[in-house]
Amino acid sequence: QKEVEQNSGPLSVPEGAIASLNCTYSDRGSQSFFWYRQYSGKSPELIMFIYSNGDKEDGRFTAQLNKASQYVSLLIRDSQPSDSATYLCAVTHSGGGADGLTFGKGTHLIIQP
Amino acid sequence: NAGVTQTPKFQVLKTGQSMTLQCAQDMNHNSMYWYRQDPGMGLRLIYYSASEGTTDKGEVPNGYNVSRLNKREFSLRLESAAPSQTSVYFCASSVGISNQPQHFGDGTRLSIL
Repeated sequence: QKEVEQNSGPLSVPEGAIASLNCTYSDRGSQSFFWYRQYSGKSPELIMFIYSNGDKEDGRFTAQLNKASQYVSLLIRDSQPSDSATYLCAVTHSGGGADGLTFGKGTHLIIQP
Repeated sequence: NAGVTQTPKFQVLKTGQSMTLQCAQDMNHNSMYWYRQDPGMGLRLIYYSASEGTTDKGEVPNGYNVSRLNKREFSLRLESAAPSQTSVYFCASSVGISNQPQHFGDGTRLSIL
């Protein structure tokens, strides 16, 4: 069974610090990796995607991918209270197809002022 | 630019009643999806439509039917609602079926009494 694992948290980080969110996946052939942010009572919002090994930076966000270790992470620099949300990791399956996107259950992040 | 629009936003039904959840996207996307999100269960795919004229079952299709009315619209029908179908329902769309990020609507909060 293809799985995406995330620590449910809550992960508590002081304002201004770096928040590090981690995700592991079971399908070695997975090709695409997405991070979504979901505020309480709202819908998931795409914030980052990464396809290749290494780092990808977008503003305060950096996605890191290590396919050999089947590990993807999201770093949030200079964390703000507005970053408090649940972060969902999503991974495509090696078989492709529309049903090939599996979501983790999310990590609840709390930024403490 | 509205993105993905879902109606209604809230609904309360009695057991055995039927209803249709509506979804429309204005991004000219080919693929559309219906998910449900329950506490502790994460996002689970109900049905998807890779392109206009096609639909396929996802992880949890029982008790639901879908119709891809045209490229813009994808509806989800509950023929005989059950309390186990109480959930938040999200519609999403993407450019294509493989390795593409999905964009979500605001959700429908459905309660079955």
